[in-house]
Amino acid sequence: DAGITQSPRHKVTETGTPVTLRCHQTENHRYMYWYRQDPGHGLRLIHYSYGVKDTDKGEVSDGYSVSRSKTEDFLLTLESATSSQTSVYFCAISRTGPSTDTQYFGPGTRLTVL
Amino acid sequence: AQSVSQHNHHVILSEAASLELGCNYSYGGTVNLFWYVQYPGQHLQLLLKYFSGDPLVKGIKGFEAEFIKSKFSFNLRKPSVQWSDTAEYFCAVIDTGGFKTIFGAGTRLFVKA
Repeated sequence: DAGITQSPRHKVTETGTPVTLRCHQTENHRYMYWYRQDPGHGLRLIHYSYGVKDTDKGEVSDGYSVSRSKTEDFLLTLESATSSQTSVYFCAISRTGPSTDTQYFGPGTRLTVL
Repeated sequence: AQSVSQHNHHVILSEAASLELGCNYSYGGTVNLFWYVQYPGQHLQLLLKYFSGDPLVKGIKGFEAEFIKSKFSFNLRKPSVQWSDTAEYFCAVIDTGGFKTIFGAGTRLFVKA
């Protein structure tokens, strides 16, 4: 398995509170991604990064921000969590871009916003 | 916009039955295609992928998929399923040169022992 860890693995929070999820990789892959998984929607891309400090929006980026200050870490922040952001969040990495390389997924973070 | 449609949301089969999961996508350009699997309690893993060449792609654990460009389809097949194939299967598409992978909603497969 690719060396990807996500923290926390489970979190329950209240509406309006800020939340930060962390993805850490030991593979030195250039590309990192944040997805959310919801029943009936599969996985949807939130944000991705193509290098340190280089990020871009995905399909469902509203309400989320990201930062990547080191190759190995990609942070996802919910500035003010809402119940609609209750989901399972997956981080993924790839050595080259997603159209030319396999993405490897982390174990996921289950977030519940009450 | 690209989209991916997986026709069956839930499939129940007995062991040794044959499997075919449908996947159709909408996009007019050149795409790369993937099937991922998520076993209960685990993260997504790649089953197989098509980038170019032979449209019949073989993956891990006896799975294969056929890319039919004229039908915009990439159906997943396995001749004889096992109980351990119980999982959720996701088809995914990306524009070649793009950065945004589009996933289907997933198909939950349950194999009865």
